[in-house]
Amino acid sequence: RKEVEQDPGPFNVPEGATVAFNCTYSNSASQSFFWYRQDCRKEPKLLMSVYSSGNEDGRFTAQLNRASQYISLLIRDSKLSDSATYLCVVKNNAGNMLTFGGGTRLMVKP
Amino acid sequence: DAGVIQSPRHEVTEMGQEVTLRCKPISGHDYLFWYRQTMMRGLELLIYFNNNVPIDDSGMPEDRFSAKMPNASFSTLKIQPSEPRDSAVYFCASSTRGTGASGANVLTFGAGSRLTVL
Repeated sequence: RKEVEQDPGPFNVPEGATVAFNCTYSNSASQSFFWYRQDCRKEPKLLMSVYSSGNEDGRFTAQLNRASQYISLLIRDSKLSDSATYLCVVKNNAGNMLTFGGGTRLMVKP
Repeated sequence: DAGVIQSPRHEVTEMGQEVTLRCKPISGHDYLFWYRQTMMRGLELLIYFNNNVPIDDSGMPEDRFSAKMPNASFSTLKIQPSEPRDSAVYFCASSTRGTGASGANVLTFGAGSRLTVL
């Protein structure tokens, strides 16, 4: 079983739609969680950290469920520019390594 | 700040040749990571350094791969001899130590080195 698993998609949604991605992680000792965004043929960039109480950044909302070991990302009012691959990232405090999920591809259509 | 700088951006080489990828981390960042990305396997951590010292190289595929960090501003990843299955995008990333979920190891990636081994 992969340490961090994501549905690869693609998720094809119209502009203005709300879309949600989930990510599951296997190591219950994981302490820090992030969402990164990667545009086609570009490097990954931090989108947002995920806090235990959940957090929001504009149209983006991240949630953490430790009991079920999953993280979610909700995008409201999606824009064409949201089209990208979204990478779920988990850090175990025993080391300083970040483990990346395989990514979920989002395509927002006009 | 110029960010993390990698070179070359693209390299095409023949099987058996030596490949050297270079990385300049962000000044003041004390962690440096080498990742490899392929369609099949996604982003895989190869090795990371803290204060120029290799901490974990368990992701390095085999002895053909080696990485060095002779000083705080430069690292290399070498493949010798290269094989077609090494074809991938190799990313270098750097970070500060940080504390808590907001600052801990937030990675800044370079633009990547796209390697094709024929």
